[in-house]
Amino acid sequence: NAGVTQTPKFQVLKTGQSMTLQCAQDMNHEYMSWYRQDPGMGLRLIHYSVGAGITDQGEVPNGYNVSRSTTEDFPLRLLSAAPSQTSVYFCASKKGRGNSPLHFGNGTRLTVT
Amino acid sequence: AQKVTQAQTEISVVEKEDVTLDCVYETRDTTYYLFWYKQPPSGELVFLIRRNSFDEQNEISGRYSWNFQKSTSSFNFTITASQVVDSAVYFCALSEGVLTGGGNKLTFGTGTQLKVEL
Repeated sequence: NAGVTQTPKFQVLKTGQSMTLQCAQDMNHEYMSWYRQDPGMGLRLIHYSVGAGITDQGEVPNGYNVSRSTTEDFPLRLLSAAPSQTSVYFCASKKGRGNSPLHFGNGTRLTVT
Repeated sequence: AQKVTQAQTEISVVEKEDVTLDCVYETRDTTYYLFWYKQPPSGELVFLIRRNSFDEQNEISGRYSWNFQKSTSSFNFTITASQVVDSAVYFCALSEGVLTGGGNKLTFGTGTQLKVEL
């Protein structure tokens, strides 16, 4: 089982560029989410989805868009990258809408110059 | 709003020492879940344990043990006889109950960097 797969692993963008971070899971999990990890700040929730066609904002949603057209995929879009979005991004999924543990991808390290 | 505090930013110990990582949480909900995750130097996040607010029994898994005390809103993690492979960042996290709209938002602490040296 691949679990949660994130691509790319590393990315460098210039300010103002756009890009999409990809996330796919093969566990048939209903719930998927995106977190960013910054030094001294732990992980903060950006957006989450409880099923195909349903998305909602987390703690730090500004500057990011998401959509959930299939159960498997949950891409994160940066429409106009800013240096403040330099971070490590983690996609995570879990079974159902309850309090099951999250399964994390290996992360995408994004640098915006 | 829920909050998790890990006051220890970094801890260094010598191998075979015991070490306790502190976690203090805040929530208004009576039903909630607490988690610990490990992030080794390779960067992935690994689930260690989940505990719900109705189960205050301590848990032991090999060299790992967890002490949950609702009276002090703490969920501390102890590693006995630490090893170099325990070197990692450890995160404590809180999720409120599903019935009150929780379950969708996991709040993490800022993490504790544990360094175990020979």
